Order: sequence, then C-alpha cells, then structure tokens
Amino acid sequence: GENVEQHPSTLSVQEGDSAVIKCTYSDSASNYFPWYKQELGKRPQLIIDIRSNVGEKKDQRIAVTLNKTAKHFSLHITETQPEDSAVYFCAASTSGGSYIPTFGRGTSLIVHP
Amino acid sequence: GAGVSQTPSNKVTEKGKYVELRCDPISGHTALYWYRQSLGQGPEFLIYFQGTGAADDSGLPNDRFFAVRPEGSVSTLKIQRTERGDSAVYLCASSRPGAGELFFGEGSRLTVL
Repeated sequence: GENVEQHPSTLSVQEGDSAVIKCTYSDSASNYFPWYKQELGKRPQLIIDIRSNVGEKKDQRIAVTLNKTAKHFSLHITETQPEDSAVYFCAASTSGGSYIPTFGRGTSLIVHP
Repeated sequence: GAGVSQTPSNKVTEKGKYVELRCDPISGHTALYWYRQSLGQGPEFLIYFQGTGAADDSGLPNDRFFAVRPEGSVSTLKIQRTERGDSAVYLCASSRPGAGELFFGEGSRLTVL
C-alpha cells in the first residue's frame, strides 16, 4: 500500500516568513495529492490539492509543487500569519473510482507574531 | 445538515465494552470514509463505503471493528470488546462521487479506561 512521509514534524517561524513542508510517497500510481489544515480541536479541511498532470499550483499565499519522478511534493506558505498556525497534513491517493487518501503524520506550524 | 455530523462527540467507556459511533454525511455524498486519529498522528484509514457497500475495509485493525451503512447515508462504526489501545479520535468524512476532496466531521473522541 501507499506510504507517505512528512517533514518536519514541527515548524516554527516568525510572522511574515515563508514555511515549507515536504512529503514523499511510495506508490507511483498515486495521482492526487491534497493538503489539509487542522486547527486545534477542529476537523481537517482541504486547503489546496494538486493532480499529477501539473507540477505546481498556487492559491494566494499557498502553493504546492509536485515532482512525480522523485515522488515528492511540497507545500509552500508565504507571508505567514499567526492564523496559519495549525497542523498540516499531506496525503496521496489514486483516482479512478475512489479516492482513499493515505495521510502523512502532520506538521505542526507555529507562526510567532 | 450543512456538514458531516458525528455523534457522540465524546465517549468514555470501560475496557471490554461495546461502542457505536455514528456518522451522518453531507446529503448527496455517496462516498463515506472512517479514519482514526491518535494524538500527534495523521488520520489512519479504516474503511470506505461507496453507497451501501464497503468498497474497501482493508484498514480495519481486527475483527472487533465493523461498520455498516445500510441505506447509503448514515454509517455506524461498531467496536466490540474495546481495548485501551482503541482510544483515539474517530473521524468520518464524505465526498461527492469522483471528487477528491473529503469533508470531515468534528470526530468522536473515544477513551477506553
């Protein structure tokens, strides 16, 4: 089955800095890569996703890059704000009928004002 | 309802007891997922339903765990002879057919004493 590794487990930055979270996956058949944000005590919510037919996707201050050859993908947050503080999870899944994401262990992002 | 609803939000039980956790997905979402999340970990896949049938139950840890979705809407996760290691937050998610985004509920926190 799929295995997703995520690094770092904790990331502490100053407000305004950039943050980068990296993930690797094992199953070359995976072609859908979502990122979820989970605030303390809340449900995970999708913030951005990327499919294997593109290498990069951007949405305002967040962007995701994908390297299929190397089987890794990354989340980039620019101009971080205190409200970006949360746990971020990457995931990988295979489309074609069902999506069953395999999640990474999460990165706790702390943005200091 | 507007989102995925899970009940109970908290459940404390004693080792050996039977527990049921309920999930009411977003109307029209035929795909339903159960995940388990332990402290400091990412969501761990348990079971996936497409309609009424369990399309993939490969994540259920053992035969003490069972889930049903008799009418293709509400699902119940059943845990027999609970053990302390079953303590976790049980997350339910639903999605539209063929769509990648999962919409999670707030979770049911299970504590086995």
